[in-house]
Amino acid sequence: DAKTTQPTSMDCAEGRAANLPCNHSTISGNEYVYWYRQIHSQGPQYIIHGLKNNETNEMASLIITEDRKSSTLILPHATLRDTAVYYCIVRVEHAGGTSYGKLTFGQGTILTVHP
Amino acid sequence: DTGVSQDPRHKITKRGQNVTFRCDPISEHNRLYWYRQTLGQGPEFLTYFQNEAQLEKSRLLSDRFSAERPKGSFSTLEIQRTEQGDSAMYLCASSLLAGAGELFFGEGSRLTVL
Repeated sequence: DAKTTQPTSMDCAEGRAANLPCNHSTISGNEYVYWYRQIHSQGPQYIIHGLKNNETNEMASLIITEDRKSSTLILPHATLRDTAVYYCIVRVEHAGGTSYGKLTFGQGTILTVHP
Repeated sequence: DTGVSQDPRHKITKRGQNVTFRCDPISEHNRLYWYRQTLGQGPEFLTYFQNEAQLEKSRLLSDRFSAERPKGSFSTLEIQRTEQGDSAMYLCASSLLAGAGELFFGEGSRLTVL
């Protein structure tokens, strides 16, 4: 799986959008971008994933550049409960749509949301 | 609660003792994973099961570690002759067979080896 690079930490004001960048310049054509977060003392939580199109769900939006070498996770209206470590992960999907599920976590970005 | 549950949540043991952790995945999930997380690091993959078959083990999983999923439901992770370096959070996750890589994690079992 391709390696990712994320900033070590970021701050965001409550109610503002949090934009978390991720570089994955060695990504291959069959590799998806996944985002997970881990709130203190809890297990990681899936947020969103995408291949090349932008994606949105109830938690966040994922913007992937056209060359797929970087992406941005957007939390549109950050709250104090969004304070967590955010992991950007690139993983390959196997042919036929089945997935292995093994994730390679880096150190992630510590997002701190301030009042 | 229908999420992934792990037991115990915390375990303190002396070096050389054996410990066992249990994971109960989401009931319809075929796949079950064990990860380990040390302070300040992201989780690291240890092993995974598809139903009762253990299909991959990381080289992090030394001979002192053994995992089972006897009936394709709950799983146990046993560490024999614990060492201080085994101190970590042990995370269990489960997913559907044909899931899109969305893993559901439990809250983990924290091991402290004195």
